[in-house]
Amino acid sequence: DAKTTQPNSMESNEEEPVHLPCNHSTISGTDYIHWYRQLPSQGPEYVIHGLTSNVNNRMASLAIAEDRKSSTLILHRATLRDAAVYYCILRGYSGAGSYQLTFGKGTKLSVIP
Amino acid sequence: GAVVSQHPSWVICKSGTSVKIECRSLDFQATTMFWYRQFPKQSLMLMATSNEGSKATYEQGVEKDKFLINHASLTLSTLTVTSAHPEDSSFYICSAPPGDVNQPQHFGDGTRLSIL
Repeated sequence: DAKTTQPNSMESNEEEPVHLPCNHSTISGTDYIHWYRQLPSQGPEYVIHGLTSNVNNRMASLAIAEDRKSSTLILHRATLRDAAVYYCILRGYSGAGSYQLTFGKGTKLSVIP
Repeated sequence: GAVVSQHPSWVICKSGTSVKIECRSLDFQATTMFWYRQFPKQSLMLMATSNEGSKATYEQGVEKDKFLINHASLTLSTLTVTSAHPEDSSFYICSAPPGDVNQPQHFGDGTRLSIL
């Protein structure tokens, strides 16, 4: 899997927007950009994913650079429940059984009340 | 609602005991499931890929005789930690991928294993 680079940690004030960056300069044309988050003592939770166009869902927005070498996860109003480790993962198909996700270190988001 | 159910969520046992962890896909069939291990303050590390009806594929450095994987049906995969020791204490997480790379992968809530 192509590699991603994220800041180790970020802080945000409650009810303010958060922009979580991710660099993926070696992304291939068929790689999807997935974001998951993990709350303490829980399994990862899907947040959002995209291929080329920006995406919105009820949890977040995903802004993808035109050259696809970077992306930004946007939480529009951070809440205390959004404090988690956020993982940016590239996911592509490379043969039978090859949908596995390779987790990097992620960004630990702290939300300040 | 949860689409992957993992059980138990927490187990404490004595050294030398074997522990079985179950991972079930709910409302969908999973020919492949993944098992991850996560140590405190670290990221998830893939241990093995479980394949329905065939042998599991283990990542480098993971002892297949230590971590037995059985994927006997399209909705159930089990991980058995045999003769567990304190260094096997960790957070174990299973996941089931969709059949389409454009769909999210579903994760269980994890099993906290503590070996005394």
